[in-house]
Amino acid sequence: QVQLVQSGAEVKKPGASVKVSCKASGYTFTGYYMHWVRQAPGQGLEWMGWINPNSGGTNYAQKFQGRVTMTRDTSISTAYMELSRLRSDDTAVYYCARAYCTNGVCYTGVFDYWGQGTLVTVSS
Amino acid sequence: EIVMTQSPATLSVSPGERATLSCRASQSVSSNLAWYQQKPGQAPRLLIYGASTRATGIPARFSGSGSGTEFTLTISSLQSEDFAVYYCQQYNNWPLPYTFGQGTKLEIK
Repeated sequence: QVQLVQSGAEVKKPGASVKVSCKASGYTFTGYYMHWVRQAPGQGLEWMGWINPNSGGTNYAQKFQGRVTMTRDTSISTAYMELSRLRSDDTAVYYCARAYCTNGVCYTGVFDYWGQGTLVTVSS
Repeated sequence: EIVMTQSPATLSVSPGERATLSCRASQSVSSNLAWYQQKPGQAPRLLIYGASTRATGIPARFSGSGSGTEFTLTISSLQSEDFAVYYCQQYNNWPLPYTFGQGTKLEIK
């Protein structure tokens, strides 16, 4: 069965960087775009960007351009999201989410399987 | 960016009754609209994509409708497990980013 397992919670100081991992299993990792979505405490969902695990190509939301880097290691079916120059308002649960494909059609912006989430707390 | 607005913020409905949730886009997204359900402490769950197509394994009591800028999620007969927060999301590839509504909390009346 499809599983996305993320790394554990992190506590960081303002100005630091954080790198969250997302290990995929149960499907062909390179066949599906991987997205990152975050959710601040008690708030809604915010899309950050995607990575094409096959090519390594990325597309980031403009809000995060220059601060976010999405990478992957196909040998271990793992995607990574690194966010730099952290601020207190980056405190959130960060999710990886797989793009939805059905009947040979992939919907890049629709997310079917999600990781369990990684809480990143930014505090001095 | 496209702004998604959901209404109401909170909806109180009794089990067995019908719930109707609304979502409006600031510009047309065609049928590139998805609905997700999120329960406390859990990741979102995909319910509907293409505005009206149920995702794999989603019960038939969930239905979506609309196109352009106005969308609706209907839950025909509420079960106890349906009380949660619901988000709409547009996934037009232009202009990015993909954006979500602020959510509707469906609570037991």
